[in-house]
Amino acid sequence: SAVISQKPSRDICQRGTSLTIQCQVDSQVTMMFWYRQQPGQSLTLIATANQGSEATYESGFVIDKFPISRPNLTFSTLTVSNMSPEDSSIYLCSVDRGSEAFFGQGTRLTVV
Amino acid sequence: GDSVTQMEGPVTLSEEAFLTINCTYTATGYPSLFWYVQYPGEGLQLLLKATKADDKGSNKGFEATYRKETTSFHLEKGSVQVSDSAVYFCALMGGYNKLIFGAGTRLAVHP
Repeated sequence: SAVISQKPSRDICQRGTSLTIQCQVDSQVTMMFWYRQQPGQSLTLIATANQGSEATYESGFVIDKFPISRPNLTFSTLTVSNMSPEDSSIYLCSVDRGSEAFFGQGTRLTVV
Repeated sequence: GDSVTQMEGPVTLSEEAFLTINCTYTATGYPSLFWYVQYPGEGLQLLLKATKADDKGSNKGFEATYRKETTSFHLEKGSVQVSDSAVYFCALMGGYNKLIFGAGTRLAVHP
């Protein structure tokens, strides 16, 4: 298994501001994944973060809006930039180990 | 591309009723398949998984069988409890270990 700590667990932010979400894993992993869950919706992959290289973004997501850092093999951050109410979602980080994915508790973001 | 189609909810059942939540997938090759559960106010938890055809995943009374011929992975439980009320997500692991989720099915179990 994997223990994933994500923070903040929730936040309420003003539109136009940015929020950085942190994800810490209890052991080294090659890939870390960031997902978004919009209200009442399923999870959508935002990007895959590999240590030492730029993140790979899925269609519909861009680096300017969701910059990601991956400074080492146990940590990553996702920034939601220039927020609007449409960014209100749960953001989750995930790692896979042994063909099984583990998730953090998520960050519930509300943009007002 | 790869995709997961899941029956729409909400599903409302009485306690001890039989549960089926349908899930079908489209994928190249034979991906691993998963059911995740999200209880109210909590994070996403793995419920069960199957990694190859005819495998049966099981946990907490829930079962799902990987059916290659029908590209399905339906979730079943013989007798649901109020505590099973949650949102259930079917998912497959595609290329580069990315998870592709179905839309989710909300289950409400009443006493």
